[in-house]
Amino acid sequence: KAGVTQTPRYLIKTRGQQVTLSCSPISGHRSVSWYQQTPGQGLQFLFEYFSETQRNKGNFPGRFSGRQFSNSRSEMNVSTLELGDSALYLCASSSSGWGEKLFFGSGTQLSVL
Amino acid sequence: GENVEQHPSTLSVQEGDSAVIKCTYSDSASNYFPWYKQELGKRPQLIIDIRSNVGEKKDQRIAVTLNKTAKHFSLHITETQPEDSAVYFCGPSGTYKYIFGTGTRLKVLA
Repeated sequence: KAGVTQTPRYLIKTRGQQVTLSCSPISGHRSVSWYQQTPGQGLQFLFEYFSETQRNKGNFPGRFSGRQFSNSRSEMNVSTLELGDSALYLCASSSSGWGEKLFFGSGTQLSVL
Repeated sequence: GENVEQHPSTLSVQEGDSAVIKCTYSDSASNYFPWYKQELGKRPQLIIDIRSNVGEKKDQRIAVTLNKTAKHFSLHITETQPEDSAVYFCGPSGTYKYIFGTGTRLKVLA
């Protein structure tokens, strides 16, 4: 089985721009969750999708949004980028998203200049 | 809101010694308690997990213990090796939200 795939691997943007990141889960997995990873803050939960529905979200501003498609692929969007948005963005997939092992992608490294 | 604390933030041990990392959580609904290992430049990977109806689980040199009453669980690594050097995250889960600890950087000194 192919693992969780995230694209692109690296992104460089300037303040004020917007960005879209993509995550393809393991085949058969219907839950996709997103995380922001920074050196001082660890892994911070952004949101989780299951069957195209957002079931929960973390404490991030409305500039961070996401969606999930019928094939379980997910995208997250960050609008009006700020310098502080520079981070590694990881997605993870699981069968149901409820109390089970998460399979992480390699992440998208976003740099905001 | 839910709170997860992980201690220590950094840990250095001599090769062959044991390492213990503790995770304290606040959400009473948590019923799944995993530990993830992230090596430098790589993705986090699950190394061991435990459910709320079990107090301890072992897998070779790695073990996890759970104290649900006190709301904490711990990762134990025995006979540490250089390849155990990584950042370890706990991620207790009880709802559709995943709250991770801020990580413990383990350094195994040869």
